[in-house]
Amino acid sequence: AQSVTQPDIHITVSEGASLELRCNYSYGATPYLFWYVQSPGQGLQLLLKYFSGDTLVQGIKGFEAEFKRSQSSFNLRKPSVHWSDAAEYFCAVGGGNTDKLIFGTGTRLQVFP
Amino acid sequence: DAGVIQSPRHEVTEMGQEVTLRCKPISGHNSLFWYRQTMMRGLELLIYFNNNVPIDDSGMPEDRFSAKMPNASFSTLKIQPSEPRDSAVYFCASSGETQYFGPGTRLLVL
Repeated sequence: AQSVTQPDIHITVSEGASLELRCNYSYGATPYLFWYVQSPGQGLQLLLKYFSGDTLVQGIKGFEAEFKRSQSSFNLRKPSVHWSDAAEYFCAVGGGNTDKLIFGTGTRLQVFP
Repeated sequence: DAGVIQSPRHEVTEMGQEVTLRCKPISGHNSLFWYRQTMMRGLELLIYFNNNVPIDDSGMPEDRFSAKMPNASFSTLKIQPSEPRDSAVYFCASSGETQYFGPGTRLLVL
């Protein structure tokens, strides 16, 4: 079955601390992987994506993610969190450029000053 | 590009009324998706179109919901009659290589 698991529902970090949000997927074909961010009252904004090639991908706002096929993971990282990063983060997997995406349930990030 | 455009941004209506949500996808994108987001159920895919043809409507809750895409630049999601449990944020997204989301329509059914 195709699925995305984000095991952490809620994460709290201090401003300036490093961050890693976990994402594991189950997908029968070559996965296309995405991270989206949703600020309160807003739509989902694309942070980064992985289609092929270098397994470490850079995104906007200083985020990066690493695709590890052996672990079926696509974890999101940021070396130093800013208060404005407080939001909900969604990992998603799909199979092609017009295919539907399967979303995880999201991880809510809270940042303390 | 202006991105995905949705209207209205907010809608308050009474139970039993018809509600129509509108979406203009990004020009050149050939897939369009309608999602619903609630606290209880999270983000749910309702229906998606490819080249204006509905491909998968298995997420549409019931016959009260219908969606159309008469051309490549416009889609509607209609709820008739509306019920309080339909209150949610409805997102439209369009895709070429990557899905981009609109700002959403916040629907409140009283």
